[in-house]
Amino acid sequence: ETGVTQTPRHLVMGMTNKKSLKCEQHLGHNAMYWYKQSAKKPLELMFVYNFKEQTENNSVPSRFSPECPNSSHLFLHLHTLQPEDSALYLCASSQDGPSYEQYFGPGTRLTVT
Amino acid sequence: GQSLEQPSEVTAVEGAIVQINCTYQTSGFYGLSWYQQHDGGAPTFLSYNALDGLEETGRFSSFLSRSDSYGYLLLQELQMKDSASYFCAVRDPGATNKLIFGTGTLLAVQP
Repeated sequence: ETGVTQTPRHLVMGMTNKKSLKCEQHLGHNAMYWYKQSAKKPLELMFVYNFKEQTENNSVPSRFSPECPNSSHLFLHLHTLQPEDSALYLCASSQDGPSYEQYFGPGTRLTVT
Repeated sequence: GQSLEQPSEVTAVEGAIVQINCTYQTSGFYGLSWYQQHDGGAPTFLSYNALDGLEETGRFSSFLSRSDSYGYLLLQELQMKDSASYFCAVRDPGATNKLIFGTGTLLAVQP
């Protein structure tokens, strides 16, 4: 257990569905992240929130919409996804400032049919 | 741009020593991190090197040479549970909270 939880762990959705991924951290960190991990590819940073403010949007398509209501919770809202969006979506958190040490959740395995 | 290169796969036997290399190209450098990820699990932080030299933490050590833009993770007394993917990462010089990860090295430990 890293102190970062994610739900659901597995999700299958159709291309016209709307769903949300949830992440919660119990570490008192102020920065939270969404990453996408596809097979044979490096971890891809999607979004960064620092003190609830979005500080990074790594050219992510608008069908992915993040929400950070407070420093402990992070959501990723999904709508009209494509099959190529199927991947493992990882949430992470870190102390504010230079964040070479990040704590990851177990991820949500997303399959888009 | 920034990029990191790692071997895609490494195989070793129990009890042996294995070295996983990482070379990087960045416009600015703030240190090299290493993460471990078991199949189906979350990446976990292993080590961080900001300065040249060797950092030891139990069976794992990490080395950095900034002049060579090169680092490695050294795993000693290999155990079956060390079978996992290992990623090196550098901080994006243009963004405080952004890590750039390598493609990862899959380590298979055989009996």
